[in-house]
Amino acid sequence: KAGVTQTPRYLIKTRGQQVTLSCSPISGHRSVSWYQQTPGQGLQFLFEYFSETQRNKGNFPGRFSGRQFSNSRSEMNVSTLELGDSALYLCASRDSFNSPLHFGNGTRLTVT
Amino acid sequence: QQQVKQSPQSLIVQKGGISIINCAYENTAFDYFPWYQQFPGKGPALLIAIRPDVSEKKEGRFTISFNKSAKQFSLHIMDSQPGDSATYFCAALTYRRSGSARQLTFGSGTQLTVLP
Repeated sequence: KAGVTQTPRYLIKTRGQQVTLSCSPISGHRSVSWYQQTPGQGLQFLFEYFSETQRNKGNFPGRFSGRQFSNSRSEMNVSTLELGDSALYLCASRDSFNSPLHFGNGTRLTVT
Repeated sequence: QQQVKQSPQSLIVQKGGISIINCAYENTAFDYFPWYQQFPGKGPALLIAIRPDVSEKKEGRFTISFNKSAKQFSLHIMDSQPGDSATYFCAALTYRRSGSARQLTFGSGTQLTVLP
């Protein structure tokens, strides 16, 4: 099976802009989670979607949002970008809430 | 309550040596403890995981030791190789409760360097 695929791999945006990141989970996996990874804060949970519904949300401002489509693909949107949003954004999928998470290689977002 | 503390922050080991990374948790509801390995430019990859009903799990050169009473668990890499050089994250979650506890709470990571 193909792994979790994230696009694009790299993004450079300007402060105040918005950005959309995409994630295709492993075939058959219905749960998609998003994590932010930074040197200072480490890996932090953003939100999880299962069957097109947000099931859990981490402690991030409302500028961070996501959605999941009927084919389980997911997108994450960040509006009004701030310099502190520069990070590696990781998507992970699992086939059920009791299964291990499988991560993609992330999208590196740089905000200038 | 959700925190997982990991140490050391960095570790340098000679080839063939034993690498030991430690983690401690606070939330007694955690019932699944995975370790992830991350190479530069890659996402974390599941290495090995343990549930609290066993005290040790071994897969090849990788062993997790788990001490439920102390709320600690550790990763031991035997016969460490230069190819093991990566960042290692411990994590924890609970499958028994709903909400944010079902998400992985990660430790801060350990950068392991194995010298040839």
